[in-house]
Amino acid sequence: AQSVTQPDIHITVSEGASLELRCNYSYGATPYLFWYVQSPGQGLQLLLKYFSGDTLVQGIKGFEAEFKRSQSSFNLRKPSVHWSDAAEYFCAVGATGGGADGLTFGKGTHLIIQP
Amino acid sequence: DGGITQSPKYLFRKEGQNVTLSCEQNLNHDAMYWYRQDPGQGLRLIYYSQIVNDFQKGDIAEGYSVSREKKESFPLTVTSAQKNPTAFYLCASSATPQGDTEAFFGQGTRLTVV
Repeated sequence: AQSVTQPDIHITVSEGASLELRCNYSYGATPYLFWYVQSPGQGLQLLLKYFSGDTLVQGIKGFEAEFKRSQSSFNLRKPSVHWSDAAEYFCAVGATGGGADGLTFGKGTHLIIQP
Repeated sequence: DGGITQSPKYLFRKEGQNVTLSCEQNLNHDAMYWYRQDPGQGLRLIYYSQIVNDFQKGDIAEGYSVSREKKESFPLTVTSAQKNPTAFYLCASSATPQGDTEAFFGQGTRLTVV
């Protein structure tokens, strides 16, 4: 079964600074990979997804992520964060080989933006 | 607009009561899911349904029940057997039950036991 690890529970970044959130997955084949964002008390919104092709994917709100097969990673990046980026971020993996229970989520990284 | 609607947004339950959380989608998706979210624990899968009239237990199904009588609807009942029901509940749907399509989420229901 696939699994996802987000090593950082909390990350604090100054407004205007760059951001990288880490995500490592465990899966035997090439997975489908997703990043979601959740504002307090809200549902999850899709930021970006990787299925195949170019390993650098662009998403909404200026985010991007890079798939690195050799490192089993799918890290999320943003060159300059805004106060409105403060939220919970979830990485998720979907199995390409079947299974019917949808996506497997990491435990999330809480992003705090300092003024 | 297409999407997923969860209701109510806030729900209070007395101990020993069953309560039902509503989830409706108009995305014509086959698969629907219920997740429970607690601080620091991410999303844990309660039940999922691949198609109408079929559903499967997820990782933490004890104390919960579901039905899928219509494609659009996937209500979750939190029974009195669930010993710690206070949590944030999220409903999601996807076009296919495999993990090859994105999941769309509702806005959540916060359940509190009083």
